[in-house]
Amino acid sequence: TAGITQAPTSQILAAGRSMTLRCTQDMRHNAMYWYRQDLGLGLRLIHYSNTAGTTGKGEVPDGYSVSRANTDDFPLTLASAVPSQTSVYFCASSDSIAGGPDTQYFGPGTRLTVL
Amino acid sequence: GQNIDQPTEMTATEGAIVQINCTYQTSGFNGLFWYQQHAGEAPTFLSYNVLDGLEEKGRFSSFLSRSKGYSYLLLKELQMKDSASYLCAVVDSNYQLIWGAGTKLIIKP
Repeated sequence: TAGITQAPTSQILAAGRSMTLRCTQDMRHNAMYWYRQDLGLGLRLIHYSNTAGTTGKGEVPDGYSVSRANTDDFPLTLASAVPSQTSVYFCASSDSIAGGPDTQYFGPGTRLTVL
Repeated sequence: GQNIDQPTEMTATEGAIVQINCTYQTSGFNGLFWYQQHAGEAPTFLSYNVLDGLEEKGRFSSFLSRSKGYSYLLLKELQMKDSASYLCAVVDSNYQLIWGAGTKLIIKP
């Protein structure tokens, strides 16, 4: 079982360009999440989805958008990248319908550099 | 506001015991997670506490005191592979995880 996969592993992107970070899980988990992790800061929630067809904003949603067309996929799009979006991005999933305190399982991360 | 505090870095010796503390102030409390994260890798689940007391799982134990807003992770018989960051996360009233910045644990031979 692959669990959660993310693509690409790393990317260098010119400021102003758009990019979609891909996330796929094969555990049939209801809830999925996107976090960014920056040095000296805790993981910060960007967007989440409690179930297919619904999404919600996290702590730092500006500049990012998500969609949840099906259970397995949860892509994160940067419409016009800025250098402050340089970070490591983690996708996670949990078997939770109501966003309850279920264990989150993380993908391997995407390291994004915006120049 | 919501706040999770952990020491930034700790050093311990192989074979010894180390305790990593986490204090929190959050809007509501629905449990506390500990995750381990090796450098360049994803966080992985270690423990979950929702009731006061000590939960033991092999070499790792986690303690919670809700009245004090305090938890600790206890690692026994330290091994070199335990060198990693340890992340504390609290589930708030909206069932969102609020993460601490993590404690980098360095194990020396």
